[in-house]
Amino acid sequence: NAGVTQTPKFQVLKTGQSMTLQCAQDMNHEYMSWYRQDPGMGLRLIHYSVGAGITDQGEVPNGYNVSRSTTEDFPLRLLSAAPSQTSVYFCASSYAGLNSPLHFGNGTRLTVT
Amino acid sequence: AQTVTQSQPEMSVQEAETVTLSCTYDTSENNYYLFWYKQPPSRQMILVIRQEAYKQQNATENRFSVNFQKAAKSFSLKISDSQLGDTAMYFCAFMNSLANYGGSQGNLIFGKGTKLSVKP
Repeated sequence: NAGVTQTPKFQVLKTGQSMTLQCAQDMNHEYMSWYRQDPGMGLRLIHYSVGAGITDQGEVPNGYNVSRSTTEDFPLRLLSAAPSQTSVYFCASSYAGLNSPLHFGNGTRLTVT
Repeated sequence: AQTVTQSQPEMSVQEAETVTLSCTYDTSENNYYLFWYKQPPSRQMILVIRQEAYKQQNATENRFSVNFQKAAKSFSLKISDSQLGDTAMYFCAFMNSLANYGGSQGNLIFGKGTKLSVKP
């Protein structure tokens, strides 16, 4: 059972480039989300989804797009990377019930130069 | 808006001793969940312990226990018999149990973390 899989683990981009961070889960979780982690800031919610076809913004959504075409996948797109998006990105998923804990991926470290 | 505050950026403890990490939060809600997550140098986020606000009994998981003071909005983590493998960042997190996020009860609000070092 793979759990939550994020790819790539590391990525370096130049300012203005675009890329997609991939997230896949094999636990049939309805809920999926993206967080970014910056030094001294903890984790902050970027976007989340409560099911296929449903997405919404979190605390820091600017500069990021998401879509949820399947239950398993929740990619995060950076359309025009900026140095301020240098961060570690975590994908997480869970069942919709209140007693379901979040399962985190191992993170993607993104550097924008 | 809910906020989570961890006032200790760094702490250290001797192996086998006990350490307490502090967390306070601000919310106007009555029903919610509180969590402690551990992040070792591997970067993996590991759930340590969870507390439901409607439960008065403090949660425990082996060497980890919490002191939940609802009126004071305080949620501290006690680690007993500290081990070298406990060295990590520890994050306190809050989750609203109400459906005012459109059912997205999984949205967590994190504190900024406490870096714990266990010394041999």
